[in-house]
Order: sequence, then C-alpha cells, then structure tokens
Amino acid sequence: SAVISQKPSRDICQRGTSLTIQCQVDSQVTMMFWYRQQPGQSLTLIATANQGSEATYESGFVIDKFPISRPNLTFSTLTVSNMSPEDSSIYLCSVVIGLGQPQHFGDGTRLSIL
Amino acid sequence: SQQGEEDPQALSIQEGENATMNCSYKTSINNLQWYRQNSGRGLVHLILIRSNEREKHSGRLRVTLDTSKKSSSLLITASRAADTASYFCATDAESGGGADGLTFGKGTHLIIQP
Repeated sequence: SAVISQKPSRDICQRGTSLTIQCQVDSQVTMMFWYRQQPGQSLTLIATANQGSEATYESGFVIDKFPISRPNLTFSTLTVSNMSPEDSSIYLCSVVIGLGQPQHFGDGTRLSIL
Repeated sequence: SQQGEEDPQALSIQEGENATMNCSYKTSINNLQWYRQNSGRGLVHLILIRSNEREKHSGRLRVTLDTSKKSSSLLITASRAADTASYFCATDAESGGGADGLTFGKGTHLIIQP
C-alpha cells in the first residue's frame, strides 16, 4: 500500500483564520479523498479531490469553506477557511491506488480552534 | 448521511475471548471495508470484502457479508489488549462505480480487559 504523509499532524488555531493541510503520497494514486471526524463521531466524506480540476463536494460542504487542490497524482491540500470552534475535528486524507482497491488513510490532522 | 450502523456501540470483553461486531447498510455496494482506529489517530485498513464474497479471513480476523440482509460482521478471535480500539465499517456504493468515497458506520468501541 502507499505511504501517506499528512501535515501538520495537529494545530491550534485562532477563530477566523485559515489552515491548509497537506497530503503527500509516495506513489501515484487514482483517487484522493478528504474526510472530517468530529469529536467522538465517525468519519464524514468532505469531497473527492480531482486531479487538475475542481473537487467534488458532498452535501453540506462547500468550496468557499473547504477549498481543495490536487495539482498532480501524488499531492492534495485541504484548506479550512474562516475557522470557528465548530471546525475542531480530525481531518483525514485517503487514497485509492486503483479502482476496487482498499482505501488507505493518512494519520490525520487534529485541529482545535480557540 | 451515515448509511452504516454498527452494533454494539461499545463492547468490553476479557482478553482471550472472541469479539463480534456487526454492521448494517442501506444501499447496494461494490465492497465493504473494516477499519481500526486507535485513540483518534489515523485509520488502519483491516479487510475489504467484495459484494460477491461471503466470507474472508486475515489472521485472527474473520469478516462475513450478507448482501441480502445488507449486513456484515467482524469477528476477532483470541482477543488481546492491543485490540482495544474503535472499529468502523465503510461501504463503497455500487452507484459510484468504485470511484466514490466511503460511507462510514458509527463504529464500535472495543475494550479488551487484561
């Protein structure tokens, strides 16, 4: 399976600021996704990061709040914009090497907003 | 919305006993995956079972899938203290053609008492 590096691993941010999370994979992958895990909850899909085009967002998530880039087949970023305490969560990227293959996750970014 | 439901939500057993967790889902799927998460860290992929498979083994893990009942179970045999974690099932909807993100269940928190 691919090695997935996610940065930062954790951060504490001030209300109203933005943070960009990076996800780097050591090999080219077919699909990349971003998920959110609110405290004590399960994971919810934010969006599919599409290489070279706009991300596909799930219901309840919008580009202005969670802009995503995927410039190539090994790298993606998720920005959490204009943060509020409700955005305090773990954000995880995941990858699929090929269709029908398992989805593998990075270690996540634990984000706390004061 | 979450389509998977796990039960029980929490399970506490003695070391050496077997642990069984169940998962139900609502729509037709391509595959179902089980993950482990230790203390809010990243997810570790355990097993992927395809919709045309009924049972799969990996070491002390056994997964079954019943597509007619839209349910799956994860059995951990001879449990160890290190198995203490949260376990999630996640489905890949058939409608996505294998290119969609996953829908996660709420998870089962497993505690192995030494």
